[in-house]
Amino acid sequence: DGGITQSPKYLFRKEGQNVTLSCEQNLNHDAMYWYRQDPGQGLRLIYYSQIVNDFQKGDIAEGYSVSREKKESFPLTVTSAQKNPTAFYLCASSRASGADQPQHFGDGTRLSIL
Amino acid sequence: AQSVTQPDIHITVSEGASLELRCNYSYGATPYLFWYVQSPGQGLQLLLKYFSGDTLVQGIKGFEAEFKRSQSSFNLRKPSVHWSDAAEYFCAVGLLNYGGSQGNLIFGKGTKLSVKP
Repeated sequence: DGGITQSPKYLFRKEGQNVTLSCEQNLNHDAMYWYRQDPGQGLRLIYYSQIVNDFQKGDIAEGYSVSREKKESFPLTVTSAQKNPTAFYLCASSRASGADQPQHFGDGTRLSIL
Repeated sequence: AQSVTQPDIHITVSEGASLELRCNYSYGATPYLFWYVQSPGQGLQLLLKYFSGDTLVQGIKGFEAEFKRSQSSFNLRKPSVHWSDAAEYFCAVGLLNYGGSQGNLIFGKGTKLSVKP
């Protein structure tokens, strides 16, 4: 079955450390997205990519970085510059980048500070 | 600017009772509208979507939603709630000006549904 795989499910970060969250999709979707979810704040967009080798900042990109070297992969790095990284991170994809395109979500990665 | 409002942060209903979750949007044209559900610790699952045509849309898990242009609303309904429906529900609208900092969808902040036995 096609879907989106996020790993790991739980991740712990030490102070000053960069960590990378994995997101892989086998839906053959062009567009991919990273969201941060905090209690009561809904989903906030970190980065998105409409096509391979291209990505754009979302509303809360500071302290994060991404790459899109392959269509199926869109890893997110939480850098040491992100001072409050504890959150639930969701990766999503859509077939194309239009307003009519529903997003399909992975099961998330929960990041905590040690 | 486009926006999505879910006025209710938390709703509690009894099992077997009917449910209506509210969603209001601000938009300059006929919108693309979506409802998603999120179980604790999981990702979001698409329940249904509205693009055009019949204003009453059927979705999965027995849910339906009605688009009302005059009220700028897209409320989600279910005639009889089951304990397994306890989750968080998100309304979303498709963005016409894709390419800005918001991607292709704007999500509401969600409504958490609790179900009493």
